[in-house]
Amino acid sequence: GAVVSQHPSRVICKSGTSVKIECRSLDFQATTMFWYRQFPKQSLMLMATSNEGSKATYEQGVEKDKFLINHASLTLSTLTVTSAHPEDSSFYICSARDYVLGGDRVLNEQFFGPGTRLTVL
Amino acid sequence: AQKVTQAQTEISVVEKEDVTLDCVYETRDTTYYLFWYKQPPSGELVFLIRRNSFDEQNEISGRYSWNFQKSTSSFNFTITASQVVDSAVYFCALSEAYNFNKFYFGSGTKLNVKP
Repeated sequence: GAVVSQHPSRVICKSGTSVKIECRSLDFQATTMFWYRQFPKQSLMLMATSNEGSKATYEQGVEKDKFLINHASLTLSTLTVTSAHPEDSSFYICSARDYVLGGDRVLNEQFFGPGTRLTVL
Repeated sequence: AQKVTQAQTEISVVEKEDVTLDCVYETRDTTYYLFWYKQPPSGELVFLIRRNSFDEQNEISGRYSWNFQKSTSSFNFTITASQVVDSAVYFCALSEAYNFNKFYFGSGTKLNVKP
């Protein structure tokens, strides 16, 4: 199956700094990538949909200026947490959409990255 | 609106016991996909199964089996003869078919398998 990587896998930063997380589709081109956030012992919540060459679509309640998303190429989307604070500490997971054969149909399918654990001190 | 409910927050079993994880979903779509993912402590989501709404056949893969009942909007997951390595958080998820714009995840069930 398709492989999605994230970098870094873990990051610790001081409050007030900005952190960039990269999401790469390694063996396919992804016009659409997604960013999720997972608080400890909670479920994954979609933050935004990232489309190559256009602005990201944010879910309700997600601050656009806080979480900057750039999908500059078909294999890379970045999430920048600006002026990070301890409440931004979370597990961030990206996914990328690819096309797969499902019987006689071509389907879209999402492949998830391994996640990035952000800790803001 | 799409919604996935996993009522069991945490389950503890002893190794070799069978365990069933429940998943109930809500959707107005007639075509959709259901998923189960395993999330070990490392955090990476491990894909287990995808089932489309047209296929109600139950599926078995080794010690894993899935029971899809459209009439009750349920997609339950059973692990037979559980092992310690099965300990993880398991997520059920729903997405639109052919246009996977959003995944709607359940809240997850933490499975503890004790030796």
